[in-house]
Amino acid sequence: SQQGEEDPQALSIQEGENATMNCSYKTSINNLQWYRQNSGRGLVHLILIRSNEREKHSGRLRVTLDTSKKSSSLLITASRAADTASYFCATDAEGAQKLVFGQGTRLTINP
Amino acid sequence: DAGITQSPRHKVTETGTPVTLRCHQTENHRYMYWYRQDPGHGLRLIHYSYGVKDTDKGEVSDGYSVSRSKTEDFLLTLESATSSQTSVYFCAINDPTSTDTQYFGPGTRLTVL
Repeated sequence: SQQGEEDPQALSIQEGENATMNCSYKTSINNLQWYRQNSGRGLVHLILIRSNEREKHSGRLRVTLDTSKKSSSLLITASRAADTASYFCATDAEGAQKLVFGQGTRLTINP
Repeated sequence: DAGITQSPRHKVTETGTPVTLRCHQTENHRYMYWYRQDPGHGLRLIHYSYGVKDTDKGEVSDGYSVSRSKTEDFLLTLESATSSQTSVYFCAINDPTSTDTQYFGPGTRLTVL
């Protein structure tokens, strides 16, 4: 089952613009995470937000979580070419220590 | 890649042959995972392990078996490979006592002809 659904599936923006990706999920969670995957590489953890948190920042990343709507968003500000990658949300909806991933958003930053 | 290696990195095999993929970690983490990644499906959990000789099934475990005889190694075996098992396979590790995040290996690209 695909717990996380991400929107949009693909996003193309100009360097310097902000990029926003959304993730929706179906059941209650303890935390939600965002990962980045560069082409041909493994996933890299970006940020974790717990169910009792509404917003979290890490550098140019801002994550929000709305548990009433079962949704999260990832905002990347002042995008750079190096941000070109696929971004995945993951939840612990199927139990502790087991992550369920969304299908991902492919982000392309154009110079 | 957080002390995780996968071998082989690429493999081409024929339908019906057995295949074993290896994941090795140097972090002494208790939990290890095998995922497959396919276009349109994201990452899906195949099997995971929560200790030596302790394993459990994930979402897409049919056709796969695993073994973990020591902390640092987690093996994924396709007893009789099928074309539907052509995919990119990722190993991940997690230490829940310190973090809820997973650390991923570089992946193995498997093609079954």
